[in-house]
Amino acid sequence: DAGVIQSPRHEVTEMGQEVTLRCKPISGHDYLFWYRQTMMRGLELLIYFNNNVPIDDSGMPEDRFSAKMPNASFSTLKIQPSEPRDSAVYFCASSLVGGRERTGELFFGEGSRLTVL
Amino acid sequence: GESVGLHLPTLSVQEGDNSIINCAYSNSASDYFIWYKQESGKGPQFIIDIRSNMDKRQGQRVTVLLNKTVKHLSLQIAATQPGDSAVYFCAEGGFDAGGTSYGKLTFGQGTILTVHP
Repeated sequence: DAGVIQSPRHEVTEMGQEVTLRCKPISGHDYLFWYRQTMMRGLELLIYFNNNVPIDDSGMPEDRFSAKMPNASFSTLKIQPSEPRDSAVYFCASSLVGGRERTGELFFGEGSRLTVL
Repeated sequence: GESVGLHLPTLSVQEGDNSIINCAYSNSASDYFIWYKQESGKGPQFIIDIRSNMDKRQGQRVTVLLNKTVKHLSLQIAATQPGDSAVYFCAEGGFDAGGTSYGKLTFGQGTILTVHP
């Protein structure tokens, strides 16, 4: 399996522009998570989906952020308009639901490094 | 003024030494804990997990110890190698009411491990 695939790996944009980050989870995984990593705040959960349905978006910083999962193999995280404080590495991760025989291991992509000037 | 980032704990060891990385977790109700390794420019990778009803678990060159009394978790790496240099995160998670695990994790701030040859 190719693992979780994210694109773009690097994005540099100007303040006010729309940014779209993309993610392809591991085939067969039930859950998809978007995390943001910064030096200030570490790894923060933004939103997660179960079977393409958003379950908890309480970590989304504000209305400028939106995420969709139109099908089991694709998700997007959009920032519109972008601001310099959105600069961070955004990770997508997926997991497989399991019972008590296994813990909830997350499989991460390589991340999308966003710089907003 | 300038923003101040997280000051991650750091650990420097010589190649061949044993390393111990510590983590204080917050939720006494967490059902399991996972250690992740993050190399520069990559996403976090699973190392080892432990359930809350255990106090020790061993993997290949790694051992995780859990002390629920003081909410403390440690990762021991035997015969540390330069390839072990990375940021190490502990994460905690829980089973839902139905007894399933699905990867919703809360991450600690991380520890930087540097291994000198």
